Amino acid sequence: EVQLVESGGGLVQPGGSLRLSCAASGFTFKNYAMSWVRQAPGKGLEWVSSISGRGTTTYYADSVKGRFTISRDESKDTLSLQMNSLRVEDTAVYYCTKDLVVVVGTAPMDVWGQGTTVTVS
Amino acid sequence: SYVLTQPPSVSVAPGKPARISCGGNNIGGKTVHWYQQKPGQAPVLVISYDSDRPSGIPERFSGSTSGNAATLTISRVEAGDEADYYCQVWDGSTEIWVFGGGTKLTVL
Repeated sequence: EVQLVESGGGLVQPGGSLRLSCAASGFTFKNYAMSWVRQAPGKGLEWVSSISGRGTTTYYADSVKGRFTISRDESKDTLSLQMNSLRVEDTAVYYCTKDLVVVVGTAPMDVWGQGTTVTVS
Repeated sequence: SYVLTQPPSVSVAPGKPARISCGGNNIGGKTVHWYQQKPGQAPVLVISYDSDRPSGIPERFSGSTSGNAATLTISRVEAGDEADYYCQVWDGSTEIWVFGGGTKLTVL
């Protein structure tokens, strides 16, 4: 069974840092692009960042560029999101997603984790 | 930046068709994906590549695009279809994913 399990969320003060992780299982991790999508309380979905299979290319939303860093560890089948200089507006549920193919932007997000909550206050 | 516009809400009686629009400049030239999100749950992909149904998605769900609008159609709506629906495209010019604001489908 394909599964994504996020962890690392919590309460942090503005200006602080947090590192989210996503453990992937049930598929060949290196062959698929991965992404982070967030959802603020009562709001819609907002794409945060994506990384191609094998980590060769990364992409960021303007709202997080320069503050967040996406990475992946192929040896541990783990996706990470290092979040620095956190702001109140970064408060959201953060979802880890798997894309259908290795290249970002050419396929939808076919598997989603259950999310981890980040509160900046 | 590229913007996708969805109606905030759509209400439909059970058994009737529901149509959810997603507007964007020349969206017909892009590939649209649709997600369903029920309360307290993660989103689920219901339509990919404009009109393809992933495995396990009922045939009642279909998608189309034309000109400046994409449409998700649910024929014969059921109570269990009540959810928020989001459209999504990849904006190749800025290399970012864009989501529509979401549409809340209410089954009367």
